[in-house]
Amino acid sequence: GEDVEQSLFLSVREGDSSVINCTYTDSSSTYLYWYKQEPGAGLQLLTYIFSNMDMKQDQRLTVLLNKKDKHLSLRIADTQTGDSAIYFCAEYRDDKIIFGKGTRLHILP
Amino acid sequence: DTGVSQDPRHKITKRGQNVTFRCDPISEHNRLYWYRQTLGQGPEFLTYFQNEAQLEKSRLLSDRFSAERPKGSFSTLEIQRTEQGDSAMYLCASTLGAEGETQYFGPGTRLLVL
Repeated sequence: GEDVEQSLFLSVREGDSSVINCTYTDSSSTYLYWYKQEPGAGLQLLTYIFSNMDMKQDQRLTVLLNKKDKHLSLRIADTQTGDSAIYFCAEYRDDKIIFGKGTRLHILP
Repeated sequence: DTGVSQDPRHKITKRGQNVTFRCDPISEHNRLYWYRQTLGQGPEFLTYFQNEAQLEKSRLLSDRFSAERPKGSFSTLEIQRTEQGDSAMYLCASTLGAEGETQYFGPGTRLLVL
């Protein structure tokens, strides 16, 4: 398909791990991104991964890439209330970034 | 703060009026992008510049929209004869221009057309 797909909503208890999944469209995309957007705020680049990697870890964040299935995931360990936001999966295609619709992460106490 | 600034941050206008937004990118960045984000959606590409040249325009960019980057630094996005459907967040991003290089986003201009 043409779209970057991701689930719209995820609810996680504080302290648990959050896993946000995404499928992208172009197997030749060289860069894949996760952006975070807090209410009323702009987009913050959380992390990115090159297509020749299958995993990237950065503190509490782990990105997994399955090129065969065009599947990208973001794991947030020890989820905190400050992680409450919308998370956008995105791919670099034709000199521009193509975004998914975003997954709203809700943290339960 | 990413270093990309946008002005104004909020704009309320009446249908049919013209509006202009400004974006100041990070100074050494060659590429400047405009995106539009409506409620419940991810940002959608509108157009981008390499220095002062406008290299691509999305089909989302109707004839009422025009963007410029006259000296290859700041950029303006003008919407003529605004419609209620133009209500959205308009985001600007800049990058040095290498493939896939990180795009730094500004805080956006939120437009409400009454």
